[in-house]
Amino acid sequence: SYELTQPPSVSVSPGQTARITCSGDALPKKYAYWYQQKSGQAPVVVIYEDYKRPSGIPERFSGSSSGTMATLTISGAQVEDEADYYCFSTDSSGNHRGVFGGGTKLTVL
Amino acid sequence: QMQLQESGPGLVKPSETLSLTCTVSGGSISSSTFYWGWIRQPPGRGLEWIGSIYDSGSTYYNPSLKSRVTISVETSKNHFSLKLSSVTAADTAVFYCARQLYDILTGFPLYFDHWGQGTLVTVSS
Repeated sequence: SYELTQPPSVSVSPGQTARITCSGDALPKKYAYWYQQKSGQAPVVVIYEDYKRPSGIPERFSGSSSGTMATLTISGAQVEDEADYYCFSTDSSGNHRGVFGGGTKLTVL
Repeated sequence: QMQLQESGPGLVKPSETLSLTCTVSGGSISSSTFYWGWIRQPPGRGLEWIGSIYDSGSTYYNPSLKSRVTISVETSKNHFSLKLSSVTAADTAVFYCARQLYDILTGFPLYFDHWGQGTLVTVSS
């Protein structure tokens, strides 16, 4: 079965750059999407189609994808960015199965 | 602004069928411009895609749940539903409904851009 792999945790100090990776065999052919989920809340998309940022998402959030790895970068991370982050994509087998990565807990302190 | 709201029993007995409804407001579910999907999250764990449906009835299910899942759309009530049969304690989770955009060239589902607040369903006798 198709899987997306993320590191369980990333920790940075306020103002530093946080990078969260997501690896998957189908990423060269499929877009990656990134969700932010704060405690007790529904996920919110922060990056779509590898690098695009929805309106209302701060410019410090950016995305990139190369080969089998997608990366979410938070430049100058703020305390309020502390959350769980999930990558999402679809497999390339033809069944259009949606897959979430296991999630990365970002700590900013 | 489109809003989605999950509803249904918060407690289901083992071996029974879990049934949830997602009511859409602020737009028509039959506008043929979106897919509609369900995602779940066990307590303290990650997100899992359950399945998605287009208003024509085209459905895509997570292979690991496919034998137990049915997603349907009721356009007259502007809602869509989830049924998960033969539940066990492992199915205890917060269930989210969400609107899913699709690729206009291929017609295939892409990502979820609007989510409901989620509803906790506990499987226990």
